[in-house]
Amino acid sequence: AQSVTQLGSHVSVSEGALVLLRCNYSSSVPPYLFWYVQYPNQGLQLLLKYTTGATLVKGINGFEAEFKKSETSFHLTKPSAHMSDAAEYFCAVSGGIGSGNQFYFGTGTSLTVIP
Amino acid sequence: EAQVTQNPRYLITVTGKKLTVTCSQNMNHEYMSWYRQDPGLGLRQIYYSMNVEVTDKGDVPEGYKVSRKEKRNFPLILESPSPNQTSLYFCASSYNGNQPQHFGDGTRLSIL
Repeated sequence: AQSVTQLGSHVSVSEGALVLLRCNYSSSVPPYLFWYVQYPNQGLQLLLKYTTGATLVKGINGFEAEFKKSETSFHLTKPSAHMSDAAEYFCAVSGGIGSGNQFYFGTGTSLTVIP
Repeated sequence: EAQVTQNPRYLITVTGKKLTVTCSQNMNHEYMSWYRQDPGLGLRQIYYSMNVEVTDKGDVPEGYKVSRKEKRNFPLILESPSPNQTSLYFCASSYNGNQPQHFGDGTRLSIL
C-alpha cells in the first residue's frame, strides 16, 4: 500500500508571504499525484495534478507543485498568500507499486492566512 | 453541469438501523469511490468501483457494502450502523483510476 505524508497539520502564513505545503509519498515508481483544496463545509476541489511530463505543474489560483522523483516529494507552493487561500489542503496519490487502483490521501494541512 | 450528487446531506440515526447513502454522477465516469473523512486522519477510501459490477475494497471497508448496477450510481450501504461510523462521507468519480476525482458535497452521518 501507498502512504502519503503531509508534514505540518497546521501552517500559518502572513498575507502576501510564500505558501509551502509539503507532501511526500512512498512509492518507488512515480505515481499519479494530486493536490486538492477543501473549503469549510464543502467537498474537495482539484488544484493541480501530475501524471507525466513536465515536473513543475501549475494549477488554479496561482498554486504550483514540483514533482521530485529523487525526493519522492510533491510540495505545493504559492508565491503570495491571499486571505481566500485559507482552507484545508490534501495531497493524494494513485498508481505506483502496491496501490492498484486505490487513491491514497494525506491527513491534510490546514492553512491559515494572517492579515 | 457536471456533478456528483449525494443524498442525504445530513442524517442522524440510531445504532443498527440500516441506511443507504446514494451517489450519482452525470459525467459517464467509469471509476467511482467512497471515502470517509475524520479529523486528523484525512480521507480514507472505503470502496471503489472500476466499472459496472466491479467493486473493490479500499482501506476501511469493514461495516460497509456497495453495489454498482448502473454506471451512474454507486450507493453506500450500512447494514448495521455503529457509532464508530459517525463521520463525513464523500462520493467521488473519475474517468479512470488514475485521473482526478470529482467530489460530491459530502454526507454527514451521526449514529447514536
